[in-house]
Amino acid sequence: AQSVTQPDIHITVSEGASLELRCNYSYGATPYLFWYVQSPGQGLQLLLKYFSGDTLVQGIKGFEAEFKRSQSSFNLRKPSVHWSDAAEYFCAVLKTSYDKVIFGPGTSLSVIP
Amino acid sequence: DGGITQSPKYLFRKEGQNVTLSCEQNLNHDAMYWYRQDPGQGLRLIYYSQIVNDFQKGDIAEGYSVSREKKESFPLTVTSAQKNPTAFYLCASSIKQGATHEQYFGPGTRLTVT
Repeated sequence: AQSVTQPDIHITVSEGASLELRCNYSYGATPYLFWYVQSPGQGLQLLLKYFSGDTLVQGIKGFEAEFKRSQSSFNLRKPSVHWSDAAEYFCAVLKTSYDKVIFGPGTSLSVIP
Repeated sequence: DGGITQSPKYLFRKEGQNVTLSCEQNLNHDAMYWYRQDPGQGLRLIYYSQIVNDFQKGDIAEGYSVSREKKESFPLTVTSAQKNPTAFYLCASSIKQGATHEQYFGPGTRLTVT
């Protein structure tokens, strides 16, 4: 069954530091992958998505993610974190048999000044 | 501005009562979705609708019901049969049904049942 894991429940980084959020998926074919961000008490916003092609995907807010088939990973990165990046981040994979998105459990990001 | 509205933001109910959560979109999207969010579990799909007067069960539909009488509206009823209804509920829509289409999310409704 397709699934998504995010090994880090919570991460704290200093403002200006680099960030990498980990995501691993289990899927037999080329996956469709997403990263969403959720500010406290709000809905989700799509940061970026990977369907095919270049394995390094650029998104909004200065985020990027790299698809690595050999590691079944789709890690999210940002070179310099801003205080406004504090939020919950969800990795997700398309469940093609039902054409629906399966979300990971999320990683909570705190940013300290 | 186009978007998705959910009301109310906070909702409190007594156990045994049915409650309906509102979701309205003015994006002219065909597809709409309801998700439930619990701490540490990500989002789980309750129901989705591809078109007016049609809807399908998601992964956790038991204890919930929906209707899609209008394109812009997709209300969710949490019935007394739902064993653990306290959660954060998110509504979303996309141009058409299909996960390759970006889903746009509303701000959510936090339901507390005591």
